[in-house]
Amino acid sequence: EAGVAQSPRYKIIEKRQSVAFWCNPISGHATLYWYQQILGQGPKLLIQFQNNGVVDDSQLPKDRFSAERLKGVDSTLKIQPAKLEDSAVYLCASSLEGNSGNTIYFGEGSWLTVV
Amino acid sequence: GQNIDQPTEMTATEGAIVQINCTYQTSGFNGLFWYQQHAGEAPTFLSYNVLDGLEEKGRFSSFLSRSKGYSYLLLKELQMKDSASYLCAPQGSTLGRLYFGRGTQLTVWP
Repeated sequence: EAGVAQSPRYKIIEKRQSVAFWCNPISGHATLYWYQQILGQGPKLLIQFQNNGVVDDSQLPKDRFSAERLKGVDSTLKIQPAKLEDSAVYLCASSLEGNSGNTIYFGEGSWLTVV
Repeated sequence: GQNIDQPTEMTATEGAIVQINCTYQTSGFNGLFWYQQHAGEAPTFLSYNVLDGLEEKGRFSSFLSRSKGYSYLLLKELQMKDSASYLCAPQGSTLGRLYFGRGTQLTVWP
């Protein structure tokens, strides 16, 4: 079974530029998550989708971050304009449903460096 | 709010046993996950506890006490490849959201 796919793997941009990350979840998984992991910290949830609807975006900095999941499968996360503190790994994850006990599977992440 | 506490670093030698503790306070609770994360890689699922007690899976075991807000991950017969960060992640009761601690960086020495 294919895992969660993400691209690009690495990205270096200057501050105030924009960047977009793409994610393809595990086939059949209704719930998709974007996490931000800053070096030395645990992952922090940015946004959670159930099919193509947003169920939790309370920690998404909406002035610069946006995400969409059209057709309930692939998702993109965009940052515009980027700040130095956005340097982090952006992890996409998916689960069958957003319910208790459903294991969340992570992609390998997209490493962002803002200079 | 959420408060998850686990040690930042631990070291051990090959063949030894190590216990990584985690205490948590979350708004709503429906179980606790442990993930392993090697440097530069994605977190991978290790264990899930929903009821009090010990869950054993090969060399790894995980314990949960819901009333105490406490869990631990027990790693036996340590191998060099077990050097990684171990993330404690209680699951909230709404939407299945996971809250992650900072992780415990375990280094296994020969």
